[in-house]
Amino acid sequence: GENVEQHPSTLSVQEGDSAVIKCTYSDSASNYFPWYKQELGKGPQLIIDIRSNVGEKKDQRIAVTLNKTAKHFSLHITETQPEDSAVYFCAASGWVSGTYKYIFGTGTRLKVLA
Amino acid sequence: NAGVTQTPKFQVLKTGQSMTLQCAQDMNHNSMYWYRQDPGMGLRLIYYSASEGTTDKGEVPNGYNVSRLNKREFSLRLESAAPSQTSVYFCASSDMTHSGNTIYFGEGSWLTVV
Repeated sequence: GENVEQHPSTLSVQEGDSAVIKCTYSDSASNYFPWYKQELGKGPQLIIDIRSNVGEKKDQRIAVTLNKTAKHFSLHITETQPEDSAVYFCAASGWVSGTYKYIFGTGTRLKVLA
Repeated sequence: NAGVTQTPKFQVLKTGQSMTLQCAQDMNHNSMYWYRQDPGMGLRLIYYSASEGTTDKGEVPNGYNVSRLNKREFSLRLESAAPSQTSVYFCASSDMTHSGNTIYFGEGSWLTVV
């Protein structure tokens, strides 16, 4: 079936360094790629998203890039801060049988060391 | 703005007991979802409702039933709980379009089956 692979599963960086999380999807019909941040004991919260007609999107310290040919998309966090520590999920979604189906990656636990 | 609200937050069940997880959204979204989250497995879709009056199976529907009570509410029922259903359950909603829209999650329900 369709799937999304996410790497790495854990990532530790020093405060102020950059963090990069990568995802690969299999369904070529996917056209919307959101990223979620999940803090301990909370539900996932959208932090940035990108659509298939765009190659890159940036929001302050967070950016997402998409390579549709290679079916890769990545999350980039610059100048990391301790409050960036959380689990991050990518997702690939597309219109299937009358609804929008989302397939999530398995998550990356990011630790920002002060 | 409450967004997606689910209850209960925590529940312990004995094997064989039944229970219903309640979910309501106040964003006037057409589509609602139930996911479960297990360590290393990411978010897996149990059931979804593309619009009021319709429900469909997701990736892991066995052992669950759902009801789309009205546009706001979507409940998940465990008829005979099993230890394998110990998990964190998330309700979500989105406004469905062909171009893709953000899916918003509730805060989660922690269920333990002993």
